[in-house]
Amino acid sequence: DAGVIQSPRHEVTEMGQEVTLRCKPISGHDYLFWYRQTMMRGLELLIYFNNNVPIDDSGMPEDRFSAKMPNASFSTLKIQPSEPRDSAVYFCASSEPGLAGYEQYFGPGTRLTVT
Amino acid sequence: GENVEQHPSTLSVQEGDSAVIKCTYSDSASNYFPWYKQELGKRPQLIIDIRSNVGEKKDQRIAVTLNKTAKHFSLHITETQPEDSAVYFCAATGANNLFFGTGTRLTVIP
Repeated sequence: DAGVIQSPRHEVTEMGQEVTLRCKPISGHDYLFWYRQTMMRGLELLIYFNNNVPIDDSGMPEDRFSAKMPNASFSTLKIQPSEPRDSAVYFCASSEPGLAGYEQYFGPGTRLTVT
Repeated sequence: GENVEQHPSTLSVQEGDSAVIKCTYSDSASNYFPWYKQELGKRPQLIIDIRSNVGEKKDQRIAVTLNKTAKHFSLHITETQPEDSAVYFCAATGANNLFFGTGTRLTVIP
């Protein structure tokens, strides 16, 4: 398996633009997590899905952030409109069926810069 | 919800010395405690984990100990090498996901 795949790896955009980050979990994993990492705040859980259904989105910073998982092999995290303070590395992770609280496999991350 | 605290935030050791990183958690129901290593510019990767029915686990130079009564667990790295330099995160299971500590930046000085 190729592991968790994220795209793009780097994104530079201007304030006010819409940003869409993409994730493909490991095949067969039914939990998917979105994290944001910054120097100031560390690794923050934004939202996670189980069987394509959002379970906990309490970490989503505000209404500008939204996430979807239309099928078992694809998820998006959208920021609209983007702001400079959204600059961070965004990780997607997945874990095996029934093991949400067990090993999570992280993707390579998307480094977002909002100018 | 679960609250995981991690100390120290930075740690410098001489090559060959040992390093210890400590974490505490709040939810007595937590039963899985992994440690992740993140090298500069890379993704976090699992290096060792321990479950609540075990008190200690070792894997070569790395060991993890768990004290469920006191709700704390620790990572021990012996005979440190420069390639051990990275940020280390502890985590504990909450209801259905992992809660991460704030990370420890370990620097091994050659």
